[in-house]
Amino acid sequence: EDQVTQSPEALRLQEGESSSLNCSYTVSGLRGLFWYRQDPGKGPEFLFTLYSAGEEKEKERLKATLTKKESFLHITAPKPEDSATYLCAVADSWGKFQFGAGTQVVVTP
Amino acid sequence: GAVVSQHPSWVICKSGTSVKIECRSLDFQATTMFWYRQFPKQSLMLMATSNEGSKATYEQGVEKDKFLINHASLTLSTLTVTSAHPEDSSFYICSAPGGTEINTGELFFGEGSRLTVL
Repeated sequence: EDQVTQSPEALRLQEGESSSLNCSYTVSGLRGLFWYRQDPGKGPEFLFTLYSAGEEKEKERLKATLTKKESFLHITAPKPEDSATYLCAVADSWGKFQFGAGTQVVVTP
Repeated sequence: GAVVSQHPSWVICKSGTSVKIECRSLDFQATTMFWYRQFPKQSLMLMATSNEGSKATYEQGVEKDKFLINHASLTLSTLTVTSAHPEDSSFYICSAPGGTEINTGELFFGEGSRLTVL
């Protein structure tokens, strides 16, 4: 059974304090690993797709990396507007998505 | 990216009534849409896969007679919560695949609908 585990559950950062979020996964035939940002009361907003180990994607202060067992989302010099819940999801060989529970990030000025 | 619109964004209803939630793909056609349910601080749980022109596919444990799904066109899927009860209160989110082939690309999500059943 596909599983996605995100850690930590919550992360509190000072503005400018870089950190990383972890997404560990087990999946039968990875078709893609996805990162989303979700603000309270809103639907998830797509950030990145990673397809193979070694792949990296960047967007502003965010950088996502992928290995065969996990993915990291690095937040460099975060700002308060980066506060959100970050969700990781994998799509298996059948195209079915499995989501992690998310990491709630709070960035304080 | 592709835009998915969901309506209403929040609804309060009395126990025993039915509530309909709409999900539209605004700038692309979606033969498949997915309906998720999310409880506070929990993961998105797939409820059902909505297929245009055919019956929806429900995940194990999801009552198809309670959560009616209709995908009448290539841009609209609806979820009707029938005879809603307080335990049905949740955040419901729809999504559609944005790739040219189903299940090869990312999912784009609607804004979500907060249902509160009194």
